[in-house]
Amino acid sequence: SAVISQKPSRDICQRGTSLTIQCQVDSQVTMMFWYRQQPGQSLTLIATANQGSEATYESGFVIDKFPISRPNLTFSTLTVSNMSPEDSSIYLCSFSYGPGNTIYFGEGSWLTVV
Amino acid sequence: DQQVKQNSPSLSVQEGRISILNCDYTNSMFDYFLWYKKYPAEGPTFLISISSIKDKNEDGRFTVFLNKSAKHLSLHIVPSQPGDSAVYFCAASALDSNYQLIWGAGTKLIIKP
Repeated sequence: SAVISQKPSRDICQRGTSLTIQCQVDSQVTMMFWYRQQPGQSLTLIATANQGSEATYESGFVIDKFPISRPNLTFSTLTVSNMSPEDSSIYLCSFSYGPGNTIYFGEGSWLTVV
Repeated sequence: DQQVKQNSPSLSVQEGRISILNCDYTNSMFDYFLWYKKYPAEGPTFLISISSIKDKNEDGRFTVFLNKSAKHLSLHIVPSQPGDSAVYFCAASALDSNYQLIWGAGTKLIIKP
């Protein structure tokens, strides 16, 4: 499968600031997703990043808080806006070659908001 | 409403013995199931999957069993090794959801020496 990388891997952010996480896949993939894993909880899908169009957000997540870009089939960004301590979490980029295919994850970006 | 449930938050197993991780689901439309393994400070890693047309899939030390009538699947690891200590997530998907994954809460497996 393709190699997926995220950056930053870890960051400590001030309350009220925004941070953009970048996700790069080394080959073209059909579907890219952004997940969140809050401490002690399971994985939660934030949105599906659609190439060339607006992301599809899951219930409880909105574009103003988590703007997502996907300019091509290998790259996506997730911005966590106006951060609060409740946004402290691991943010995971993932991809799939299409519906019904296995989803592969990046290493995750650990964000701590202070 | 949790559609995928992993009722054991943690499981402790002696090295060399069999580890059995369980997962129950409620949506009869699920037709594809996956297990992921996650170490601290890393992203989840795909382990093994099973389609609803099968009742067993094996890959080395890992075997997944699916009981559709009971809406239950299990992951067997034998023999268990120290490196198997991790959190294991069960996930399910259905064609009518465009194969978006529904995740269980995870089970932390601890392999004792």
